[in-house]
Amino acid sequence: NAGVMQNPRHLVRRRGQEARLRCSPMKGHSHVYWYRQLPEEGLKFMVYLQKENIIDESGMPKERFSAEFPKEGPSILRIQQVVRGDSAAYFCASSPKPGGVSGNTIYFGEGSWLTVV
Amino acid sequence: KQEVTQIPAALSVPEGENLVLNCSFTDSAIYNLQWFRQDPGKGLTSLLLIQSSQREQTSGRLNASLDKSSGRSTLYIAASQPGDSATYLCAFSNNAGNMLTFGGGTRLMVKP
Repeated sequence: NAGVMQNPRHLVRRRGQEARLRCSPMKGHSHVYWYRQLPEEGLKFMVYLQKENIIDESGMPKERFSAEFPKEGPSILRIQQVVRGDSAAYFCASSPKPGGVSGNTIYFGEGSWLTVV
Repeated sequence: KQEVTQIPAALSVPEGENLVLNCSFTDSAIYNLQWFRQDPGKGLTSLLLIQSSQREQTSGRLNASLDKSSGRSTLYIAASQPGDSATYLCAFSNNAGNMLTFGGGTRLMVKP
């Protein structure tokens, strides 16, 4: 059973370009989460999705950021018109049950490192 | 709003030592506590999961405890090895259930 797969692992974008980060959850997992780790900071929750639905986007910046988890295919985190402050590691995680269910374990991918130049 | 603090931020010990990593939180209304390990440039590996009704979990040389009344969790590593060198993160899922709140991590270096 492959783990959570993220790609690309490393991405370099110029200011103003778009960045698309992809995440394939573990087999059988329908709950996906995106987290961001800024340099020298801890991981911060961004968004929680189920298939075709955004459940909680309380951690998403109000502009330029969007996420989707279509019925078919991976979850996508999209950052439009990137700025240097978007440089960070973006981690995807998945779980078989909702994150708040007691005893549920969340599995993380290896991250996508975005560098904006 | 849940706030999570990990002390110390960095720790260097000689191989073989037993050590304790601390994690404190402000909101006792938690569902789960997880301890993760993160290696440089890598993702997170879940080490131990403690449900809110439990007080501790053990896996090999690792033992994690949870004391909701005092707002603390500890990760105990016995007989540390150089391969244990990594950043250790604690995280809580809250009543809303959808997200983990992470501490800032403890960077551990175990010297041979």
